[in-house]
Amino acid sequence: GQSLEQPSEVTAVEGAIVQINCTYQTSGFYGLSWYQQHDGGAPTFLSYNALDGLEETGRFSSFLSRSDSYGYLLLQELQMKDSASYFCAVNQAGTALIFGKGTTLSVSS
Amino acid sequence: NAGVTQTPKFRVLKTGQSMTLLCAQDMNHEYMYWYRQDPGMGLRLIHYSVGEGTTAKGEVPDGYNVSRLKKQNFLLGLESAAPSQTSVYFCASIPQDRAVEQFFGPGTRLTVL
Repeated sequence: GQSLEQPSEVTAVEGAIVQINCTYQTSGFYGLSWYQQHDGGAPTFLSYNALDGLEETGRFSSFLSRSDSYGYLLLQELQMKDSASYFCAVNQAGTALIFGKGTTLSVSS
Repeated sequence: NAGVTQTPKFRVLKTGQSMTLLCAQDMNHEYMYWYRQDPGMGLRLIHYSVGEGTTAKGEVPDGYNVSRLKKQNFLLGLESAAPSQTSVYFCASIPQDRAVEQFFGPGTRLTVL
Protein backbone atom coordinates (compact mmCIF):
# COMPACT_ATOMS: atom_id res chain seq x y z
CA GLY A 1 0.00 0.00 0.00
CA GLN A 2 0.91 3.65 -0.07
CA SER A 3 1.61 5.52 3.12
CA LEU A 4 3.18 8.69 4.46
CA GLU A 5 4.15 9.05 8.09
CA GLN A 6 4.58 12.34 9.92
CA PRO A 7 4.26 13.33 13.58
CA SER A 8 0.75 14.28 14.62
CA GLU A 9 1.73 17.26 16.77
CA VAL A 10 4.66 19.58 17.33
CA THR A 11 4.90 22.50 19.75
CA ALA A 12 7.42 25.33 19.78
CA VAL A 13 7.89 28.91 20.94
CA GLU A 14 8.16 32.05 18.86
CA GLY A 15 11.57 32.53 17.32
CA ALA A 16 12.48 28.86 17.52
CA ILE A 17 13.25 26.39 14.73
CA VAL A 18 11.15 23.30 14.17
CA GLN A 19 11.58 20.32 11.85
CA ILE A 20 8.67 18.19 10.65
CA ASN A 21 9.73 14.83 9.28
CA CYS A 22 7.98 12.75 6.65
CA THR A 23 8.71 9.21 5.54
CA TYR A 24 6.87 7.74 2.61
CA GLN A 25 6.21 4.44 0.94
CA THR A 26 4.53 4.96 -2.43
CA SER A 27 4.72 3.97 -6.06
CA GLY A 28 5.19 6.34 -8.96
CA PHE A 29 7.04 8.95 -6.91
CA TYR A 30 8.32 12.03 -8.71
CA GLY A 31 8.42 14.60 -5.94
CA LEU A 32 7.55 15.53 -2.35
CA SER A 33 5.43 18.58 -1.60
CA TRP A 34 4.52 20.43 1.58
CA TYR A 35 1.25 22.21 2.19
CA GLN A 36 0.09 24.45 4.99
CA GLN A 37 -3.48 24.53 6.22
CA HIS A 38 -4.87 26.96 8.75
CA ASP A 39 -7.97 25.99 10.69
CA GLY A 40 -10.96 25.88 8.38
CA GLY A 41 -8.94 26.97 5.39
CA ALA A 42 -7.74 25.51 2.13
CA PRO A 43 -4.33 23.86 1.86
CA THR A 44 -1.74 26.17 0.35
CA PHE A 45 1.47 25.13 -1.34
CA LEU A 46 4.72 25.73 0.53
CA SER A 47 7.55 23.81 -1.06
CA TYR A 48 8.52 21.02 -3.43
CA ASN A 49 11.51 18.71 -3.85
CA ALA A 50 12.07 16.53 -6.88
CA LEU A 51 15.77 15.91 -6.30
CA ASP A 52 17.83 15.13 -3.21
CA GLY A 53 18.86 18.14 -1.20
CA LEU A 54 17.59 21.29 0.39
CA GLU A 55 15.22 23.85 -1.10
CA GLU A 56 14.97 27.19 0.69
CA THR A 57 12.05 29.61 0.47
CA GLY A 58 12.38 32.41 2.97
CA ARG A 59 11.91 31.11 6.51
CA PHE A 60 10.89 27.68 5.21
CA SER A 61 13.18 25.00 3.83
CA SER A 62 12.44 21.50 2.65
CA PHE A 63 14.75 18.53 2.28
CA LEU A 64 14.49 15.27 0.38
CA SER A 65 16.44 12.03 0.39
CA ARG A 66 15.01 9.75 -2.26
CA SER A 67 17.20 6.82 -1.26
CA ASP A 68 15.83 6.99 2.29
CA SER A 69 12.25 7.83 1.23
CA TYR A 70 12.47 10.68 3.69
CA GLY A 71 11.97 14.40 3.73
CA TYR A 72 11.47 17.21 6.19
CA LEU A 73 10.13 20.73 6.41
CA LEU A 74 12.20 23.19 8.42
CA LEU A 75 10.55 26.30 9.77
CA GLN A 76 12.82 29.00 11.16
CA GLU A 77 12.14 32.14 13.20
CA LEU A 78 8.73 30.80 14.14
CA GLN A 79 5.86 33.26 14.37
CA MET A 80 2.43 32.85 15.93
CA LYS A 81 0.90 32.87 12.44
CA ASP A 82 2.82 29.67 11.65
CA SER A 83 0.42 27.77 13.92
CA ALA A 84 -1.31 25.50 11.42
CA SER A 85 -1.35 21.96 10.08
CA TYR A 86 1.44 20.91 7.73
CA PHE A 87 1.03 18.08 5.25
CA CYS A 88 3.64 16.27 3.26
CA ALA A 89 2.37 14.88 0.00
CA VAL A 90 3.84 12.67 -2.69
CA ASN A 91 3.41 13.83 -6.27
CA GLN A 92 2.53 11.04 -8.65
CA ALA A 93 2.37 11.42 -12.42
CA GLY A 94 -1.04 11.15 -13.99
CA THR A 95 -3.05 11.02 -10.81
CA ALA A 96 -2.99 13.21 -7.73
CA LEU A 97 -1.22 14.01 -4.52
CA ILE A 98 -1.05 11.36 -1.81
CA PHE A 99 -1.22 13.19 1.49
CA GLY A 100 0.07 12.36 4.93
CA LYS A 101 -2.28 12.81 7.89
CA GLY A 102 -0.73 16.13 8.81
CA THR A 103 1.25 17.64 11.67
CA THR A 104 -0.39 20.24 13.88
CA LEU A 105 2.13 22.93 14.83
CA SER A 106 1.36 25.07 17.84
CA VAL A 107 3.51 28.15 18.35
CA SER A 108 3.35 29.88 21.71
CA SER A 109 4.75 33.19 22.87
CA ASN B 1 -8.83 35.77 -11.42
CA ALA B 2 -11.02 34.09 -8.84
CA GLY B 3 -8.87 30.95 -8.91
CA VAL B 4 -10.75 27.88 -7.69
CA THR B 5 -14.23 28.43 -6.26
CA GLN B 6 -16.63 25.97 -4.65
CA THR B 7 -20.39 26.11 -4.22
CA PRO B 8 -21.93 25.83 -1.66
CA LYS B 9 -19.70 26.62 1.33
CA PHE B 10 -21.90 24.76 3.82
CA ARG B 11 -24.70 22.24 3.49
CA VAL B 12 -26.72 20.01 5.78
CA LEU B 13 -28.43 16.98 4.28
CA LYS B 14 -30.64 14.23 5.62
CA THR B 15 -29.69 10.63 5.01
CA GLY B 16 -30.81 9.58 1.54
CA GLN B 17 -30.94 13.05 0.04
CA SER B 18 -28.92 13.92 -3.03
CA MET B 19 -26.84 16.96 -3.88
CA THR B 20 -24.20 18.29 -6.25
CA LEU B 21 -21.10 20.22 -5.30
CA LEU B 22 -19.72 22.57 -7.92
CA CYS B 23 -16.08 23.38 -8.45
CA ALA B 24 -15.11 26.09 -10.93
CA GLN B 25 -11.68 27.34 -11.99
CA ASP B 26 -10.81 30.22 -14.27
CA MET B 27 -7.15 29.36 -14.83
CA ASN B 28 -7.68 27.09 -17.85
CA HIS B 29 -6.30 24.13 -15.91
CA GLU B 30 -6.51 20.68 -17.45
CA TYR B 31 -6.51 18.52 -14.31
CA MET B 32 -9.09 18.80 -11.55
CA TYR B 33 -9.53 16.82 -8.34
CA TRP B 34 -12.04 16.20 -5.59
CA TYR B 35 -10.71 15.38 -2.12
CA ARG B 36 -12.39 14.80 1.21
CA GLN B 37 -10.85 15.66 4.55
CA ASP B 38 -11.95 14.12 7.82
CA PRO B 39 -10.77 15.15 11.30
CA GLY B 40 -7.18 14.13 11.95
CA MET B 41 -6.79 12.89 8.43
CA GLY B 42 -5.04 14.12 5.37
CA LEU B 43 -6.89 14.71 2.16
CA ARG B 44 -8.09 11.62 0.35
CA LEU B 45 -8.77 11.60 -3.36
CA ILE B 46 -12.35 10.81 -4.41
CA HIS B 47 -12.31 11.32 -8.19
CA TYR B 48 -10.24 13.27 -10.64
CA SER B 49 -10.29 14.47 -14.25
CA VAL B 50 -7.39 14.90 -16.66
CA GLY B 51 -9.43 16.91 -19.14
CA GLU B 52 -12.87 17.88 -20.36
CA GLY B 53 -15.10 14.85 -20.72
CA THR B 54 -12.83 12.51 -18.74
CA THR B 55 -13.07 11.27 -15.16
CA ALA B 56 -11.35 8.60 -13.10
CA LYS B 57 -11.71 7.04 -9.67
CA GLY B 58 -9.44 7.92 -6.80
CA GLU B 59 -8.85 6.30 -3.44
CA VAL B 60 -12.38 6.63 -1.98
CA PRO B 61 -14.89 6.86 -4.89
CA ASP B 62 -17.79 4.82 -3.48
CA GLY B 63 -21.02 6.78 -3.08
CA TYR B 64 -19.88 9.61 -5.34
CA ASN B 65 -20.17 10.43 -9.02
CA VAL B 66 -18.52 13.19 -11.02
CA SER B 67 -18.81 14.95 -14.34
CA ARG B 68 -16.54 17.30 -16.31
CA LEU B 69 -18.71 18.54 -19.16
CA LYS B 70 -16.87 21.84 -19.36
CA LYS B 71 -13.16 22.34 -18.81
CA GLN B 72 -13.67 24.92 -16.11
CA ASN B 73 -16.20 22.97 -14.04
CA PHE B 74 -15.95 19.72 -12.08
CA LEU B 75 -19.11 18.49 -10.36
CA LEU B 76 -19.26 16.04 -7.47
CA GLY B 77 -22.57 14.28 -6.88
CA LEU B 78 -23.92 12.39 -3.92
CA GLU B 79 -26.89 10.29 -5.06
CA SER B 80 -27.99 9.06 -1.63
CA ALA B 81 -26.13 10.78 1.18
CA ALA B 82 -24.97 8.81 4.22
CA PRO B 83 -23.64 10.04 7.59
CA SER B 84 -20.24 8.59 6.62
CA GLN B 85 -20.06 11.27 3.94
CA THR B 86 -20.02 14.05 6.52
CA SER B 87 -16.74 15.75 5.70
CA VAL B 88 -15.05 18.81 4.25
CA TYR B 89 -14.72 18.56 0.49
CA PHE B 90 -11.92 20.31 -1.37
CA CYS B 91 -11.54 20.78 -5.06
CA ALA B 92 -8.14 21.40 -6.62
CA SER B 93 -6.63 21.93 -10.04
CA ILE B 94 -3.29 21.96 -11.85
CA PRO B 95 -2.49 23.27 -15.32
CA GLN B 96 -1.09 19.98 -16.68
CA ASP B 97 0.35 16.64 -15.58
CA ARG B 98 3.39 16.86 -13.30
CA ALA B 99 2.70 20.48 -12.44
CA VAL B 100 4.12 21.07 -9.00
CA GLU B 101 1.52 23.18 -7.21
CA GLN B 102 -2.09 22.20 -6.70
CA PHE B 103 -4.50 25.12 -6.33
CA PHE B 104 -7.27 24.44 -3.84
CA GLY B 105 -10.73 25.87 -3.47
CA PRO B 106 -12.01 27.08 -0.08
CA GLY B 107 -13.89 23.86 0.67
CA THR B 108 -17.46 22.76 1.25
CA ARG B 109 -18.44 21.64 4.73
CA LEU B 110 -21.10 18.93 4.41
CA THR B 111 -23.04 17.40 7.28
CA VAL B 112 -25.30 14.41 6.72
CA LEU B 113 -27.78 13.74 9.53
